[in-house]
Amino acid sequence: ELKVEQNPLFLSMQEGKNYTIYCNYSTTSDRLYWYRQDPGKSLESLFVLLSNGAVKQEGRLMASLDTKARLSTLHITAAVHDLSATYFCAVDMFPNAGGTSYGKLTFGQGTILTVHP
Amino acid sequence: DAGVTQSPTHLIKTRGQQVTLRCSPKSGHDTVSWYQQALGQGPQFIFQYYEEEERQRGNFPDRFSGHQFPNYSSELNVNALLLGDSALYLCASSFRGSGNTIYFGEGSWLTVV
Repeated sequence: ELKVEQNPLFLSMQEGKNYTIYCNYSTTSDRLYWYRQDPGKSLESLFVLLSNGAVKQEGRLMASLDTKARLSTLHITAAVHDLSATYFCAVDMFPNAGGTSYGKLTFGQGTILTVHP
Repeated sequence: DAGVTQSPTHLIKTRGQQVTLRCSPKSGHDTVSWYQQALGQGPQFIFQYYEEEERQRGNFPDRFSGHQFPNYSSELNVNALLLGDSALYLCASSFRGSGNTIYFGEGSWLTVV
């Protein structure tokens, strides 16, 4: 059974600081997603990482994927208050049997990020 | 371009009742998946529909069932509601086999009392 673990689960940052959220998963996969969720809201897509070594950046966020280490990171640069939210990584696996497509995401527990002035 | 739309947004049901939630995928998408997100947890995969058939299923009992229509829209049905079914139900839309982003709707908040 695929397991996805994020750390830290809670992250309190000062504005202007840098930090990294880690996402480890237990089974080989080549598709990993990062989502942001604000309180009471749905999931907003941040990044889709589709191959080993993939790196994507958007604003103050940068995500990378190392499929050999089964590890993805979400790096936050010079944090601002607007980045306060819960961040989820999710791993997608093509099913070994029975299923016919991607799209069965297994999510991590989420990292609650709070950025303080 | 309309995104993923879900209805209703909020509803309250009594234990033992049945509920139907609805989802219209993003334009151009043909695959719909449903997730349950309990408070403070990550979403859990319920099942996925493509070509009007259930293609994959998570660890949910048979009380959870679904349907996909020819226009790709989908319904999630939950019978014999339990208090533990209270959660945010999210619909996810994608194009089969692609490596593109999986988009989520705003969700349906279900409270079982």
